[in-house]
Amino acid sequence: NAGVMQNPRHLVRRRGQEARLRCSPMKGHSHVYWYRQLPEEGLKFMVYLQKENIIDESGMPKERFSAEFPKEGPSILRIQQVVRGDSAAYFCASSPAQVTGELFFGEGSRLTVL
Amino acid sequence: KQEVTQIPAALSVPEGENLVLNCSFTDSAIYNLQWFRQDPGKGLTSLLLIQSSQREQTSGRLNASLDKSSGRSTLYIAASQPGDSATYLCAVEDSNYQLIWGAGTKLIIKP
Repeated sequence: NAGVMQNPRHLVRRRGQEARLRCSPMKGHSHVYWYRQLPEEGLKFMVYLQKENIIDESGMPKERFSAEFPKEGPSILRIQQVVRGDSAAYFCASSPAQVTGELFFGEGSRLTVL
Repeated sequence: KQEVTQIPAALSVPEGENLVLNCSFTDSAIYNLQWFRQDPGKGLTSLLLIQSSQREQTSGRLNASLDKSSGRSTLYIAASQPGDSATYLCAVEDSNYQLIWGAGTKLIIKP
């Protein structure tokens, strides 16, 4: 029974390139959350998705960032035209339901922008 | 706006000691509070989840308490071991179902 799977674990991009981070939730989980952890800071909520729906994207920067969770396949966090300030660890979590449920986290994807 | 604070930011204690990590939050309207552990280069592991109606939860050598009225939670670790060394994060789930995170306490247990 695999846990939340994130890939790639490490990603290096040059400024201006695109970064795509993938998250496969635990089996049976239909809710996915993305968080960003900047160096020396706590995690910050980015977006909450259900299959084919964005429920809450209040934590997403308005430009360059997008997320999707298609009917089939993993959730994708896409960052266009990356800048150095995008360097961070991006964590995905899944839960079977929205309300007061335990979250299960992936091991994170570490993005480094050169 | 909910804010979560963890004190201290770092803690180093000898093996075998009991210790307490603190978490405070500004808005008592929460659904639950969770304590997580983060190991270097790894994801987060959920340790304890306390619903807003509960006052404490226990798992092995860990005990977490919740006092909503004062906006505080503590994580008590008994008989600490070197393997407990990690960063401990607390997070509250607010009325919008969002997790608001503290910045964490980095714990080092010295053998």
